[in-house]
Amino acid sequence: GENVEQHPSTLSVQEGDSAVIKCTYSDSASNYFPWYKQELGKRPQLIIDIRSNVGEKKDQRIAVTLNKTAKHFSLHITETQPEDSAVYFCAAGGYQKVTFGTGTKLQVIP
Amino acid sequence: DADVTQTPRNRITKTGKRIMLECSQTKGHDRMYWYRQDPGLGLRLIYYSFDVKDINKGEISDGYSVSRQAQAKFSLSLESAIPNQTALYFCATSGAIPNEQFFGPGTRLTVL
Repeated sequence: GENVEQHPSTLSVQEGDSAVIKCTYSDSASNYFPWYKQELGKRPQLIIDIRSNVGEKKDQRIAVTLNKTAKHFSLHITETQPEDSAVYFCAAGGYQKVTFGTGTKLQVIP
Repeated sequence: DADVTQTPRNRITKTGKRIMLECSQTKGHDRMYWYRQDPGLGLRLIYYSFDVKDINKGEISDGYSVSRQAQAKFSLSLESAIPNQTALYFCATSGAIPNEQFFGPGTRLTVL
């Protein structure tokens, strides 16, 4: 089955700086790569996703890049704000299901 | 607003007890999932279902069973709870496209 590794497990940045979270996956058949944000005590929510026919996708301050050859994908958050503090999960999979990474706790220091 | 709900939200039980966690959704989605979340381990898939007659095991199904009573209801059972099943359990739903999963609020289960 699919195996997703996520790094780092914790990340602290100053407000206004950029944050990068990286994930690798094992199954070359995976074609869907979502990112979820989970605020403290809340449910995970989708923030951005990318499909295998696209190399990069942006939505305001967040962007995701995908390198299918190397089987890795990354989340980039620019101009970080305190409300970006949360746990972020990457995932990889396809039509039926996805496998989640172990999460990155991002702390944005004001 | 269409939503995913879970009951109970918190539950404390004893080793060996049978317990059922329930999930309901008003999103009209066919696909439903059960995950458990443990610190440092992320979200791990227990079972998933694409319709009432379709049940599939996830990566950690041992010790769990599920029932899809209707399109909108998907229940998770622990037949004989053990302490290492203490975790936060999430139900999620998904429409056919574009794969986005919508999570319920979670059930915090403690097995003593």
